[in-house]
Amino acid sequence: SQQGEEDPQALSIQEGENATMNCSYKTSINNLQWYRQNSGRGLVHLILIRSNEREKHSGRLRVTLDTSKKSSSLLITASRAADTASYFCAPRGNTPLVFGKGTRLSVIA
Amino acid sequence: SAVISQKPSRDICQRGTSLTIQCQVDSQVTMMFWYRQQPGQSLTLIATANQGSEATYESGFVIDKFPISRPNLTFSTLTVSNMSPEDSSIYLCSVAVGDSSSGNTIYFGEGSWLTVV
Repeated sequence: SQQGEEDPQALSIQEGENATMNCSYKTSINNLQWYRQNSGRGLVHLILIRSNEREKHSGRLRVTLDTSKKSSSLLITASRAADTASYFCAPRGNTPLVFGKGTRLSVIA
Repeated sequence: SAVISQKPSRDICQRGTSLTIQCQVDSQVTMMFWYRQQPGQSLTLIATANQGSEATYESGFVIDKFPISRPNLTFSTLTVSNMSPEDSSIYLCSVAVGDSSSGNTIYFGEGSWLTVV
């Protein structure tokens, strides 16, 4: 399946620190998308990285993609309390998105 | 991008009743999906809503329990029928937008949080 598996399952950091989350998958993909979900809410699309891209930036977010290792990472720099949420990666080929358990990030003020 | 409106955002339902969730998109989209997220769990795909034909259901989900309509390219409904407490979940509508050659971007609504009592 194209389900991504996020690691770690939970991460707790101090405000101002950087947070790194990893994603592994098993099949070939067209792109990989990262999402944030605040408790009880919908998913917010953060960033899309295409299979021919290796790195992409958006504000405080930096995403890398290594298709040879079938892995991706999401780095949030200078974290804020408002970044507290669950983060999901979604490898995408030609089928609907399948989600793993996500990484639960807690940013402590 | 796409702006997705879901209604209701939250509801408390009686056991045995049915509730219909609406999903409205601000642009025409080819692909729409419905997901369920049970408390403390990840998202599970219920079905792909196909315009002009029956929805495509994932394993474990059936049309009698989760009938879906897709009358046009901007609107879909999901009905949760004969609800039980196990149906208490967030139900999310999502759409695929953009360049199919590099893979579409998937956007989500804010979700409909149903509690069955």
